[in-house]
Amino acid sequence: GAVVSQHPSRVICKSGTSVKIECRSLDFQATTMFWYRQFPKQSLMLMATSNEGSKATYEQGVEKDKFLINHASLTLSTLTVTSAHPEDSSFYICSAYPENAGGRETQYFGPGTRLLVL
Amino acid sequence: AQSVAQPEDQVNVAEGNPLTVKCTYSVSGNPYLFWYVQYPNRGLQFLLKYITGDNLVKGSYGFEAEFNKSQTSFHLKKPSALVSDSALYFCAVRDMTNFNKFYFGSGTKLNVKP
Repeated sequence: GAVVSQHPSRVICKSGTSVKIECRSLDFQATTMFWYRQFPKQSLMLMATSNEGSKATYEQGVEKDKFLINHASLTLSTLTVTSAHPEDSSFYICSAYPENAGGRETQYFGPGTRLLVL
Repeated sequence: AQSVAQPEDQVNVAEGNPLTVKCTYSVSGNPYLFWYVQYPNRGLQFLLKYITGDNLVKGSYGFEAEFNKSQTSFHLKKPSALVSDSALYFCAVRDMTNFNKFYFGSGTKLNVKP
């Protein structure tokens, strides 16, 4: 089956630093990847859609200069949280959509990255 | 606009008993519906989907879901619950105007007690 990995699984950083999270599709190519944010005991909130070779599409209310997304290849998307603050602490989940998949396909989710900003 | 609702924050069931996790949807047109499971500090795992065809969809780990168009529901079911089924369950619907977007329900925590 399709596998998506994320690295790191957990990161602790100081306020004001930047943190990069990687999302990789291991056995398929993904033209499109998604970044979600999940607060404790809440649902997933779509932050942005990452498109290979073009700019990411951000959801309303998500600061694109705060959450930088780069989708440099068909198997890798990165999310950089710039100048992180404690309110950015959350669980970040990526998902990938297989290239050339039709509308009947599901997204495949990574295991998530727990970010704690001190 | 597309949306799904999970009316129960938590469902408690004894091991061996049948379980149901409820989901209702609101879409224009025919829905593409999905169920996912999330274990603590993990991403979502795909369980099953309904696109077209039989209203009863069978998925992973013995789960199934019944699509009911008249009631706009897509409840997740399992005939005999296991303690290991305890997790957070999300219902989702695909945006029919933008296939890239999924809308997730608020999640239902399933507790299966021995």
